[in-house]
Amino acid sequence: DVKVTQSSRYLVKRTGEKVFLECVQDMDHENMFWYRQDPGLGLRLIYFSYDVKMKEKGDIPEGYSVSREKKERFSLILESASTNQTSMYLCASSQVFLGNTEAFFGQGTRLTVV
Amino acid sequence: AQKVTQAQTEISVVEKEDVTLDCVYETRDTTYYLFWYKQPPSGELVFLIRRNSFDEQNEISGRYSWNFQKSTSSFNFTITASQVVDSAVYFCAFSPLNTGNQFYFGTGTSLTVIP
Repeated sequence: DVKVTQSSRYLVKRTGEKVFLECVQDMDHENMFWYRQDPGLGLRLIYFSYDVKMKEKGDIPEGYSVSREKKERFSLILESASTNQTSMYLCASSQVFLGNTEAFFGQGTRLTVV
Repeated sequence: AQKVTQAQTEISVVEKEDVTLDCVYETRDTTYYLFWYKQPPSGELVFLIRRNSFDEQNEISGRYSWNFQKSTSSFNFTITASQVVDSAVYFCAFSPLNTGNQFYFGTGTSLTVIP
């Protein structure tokens, strides 16, 4: 059974803290994604990676960075957390195979910045 | 620019009613993929269907059916004889070919099935 695992379901951090959200997939997928989900806005892409050490900015990369040192792991970093980064964060992965394939999602991390 | 519109923000139906969730997309690409995902209260998005732009055949899977019409850029999702377990947020997504598998999501439709 395919699996994308995010390290935390719920996280509370203080303003200004450096925050790490971790995501691991066990499907040997090339592509990995970080999305942010907010009510009324749907899912917005923060960053994605199509290979180890490769990354591309999505629609809302400001205030975030990512790291992909190993194929199975994709980390999202909030350099200095702010209250407007309170949100649900979703990690996903997909493979490259005969066109665009579906993405598999983790269970999400609900981050609250106080 | 790519865009996915789900105009229905919230829908409520009584159990056993049929319900259609609308999805309209905008693109200049000729080759692309469309998806539907379900997000139950637990939060994890569950993949339902993938369709490529060359395949306009409608698809049925149990109580679920999908109507893809390229002429109107729509990819609508119908649940027949709805059940309480269908209550969830449903997302339509678009992915152009050869873009690193980027997905563009609609804002979602929250479906509540009332027993």
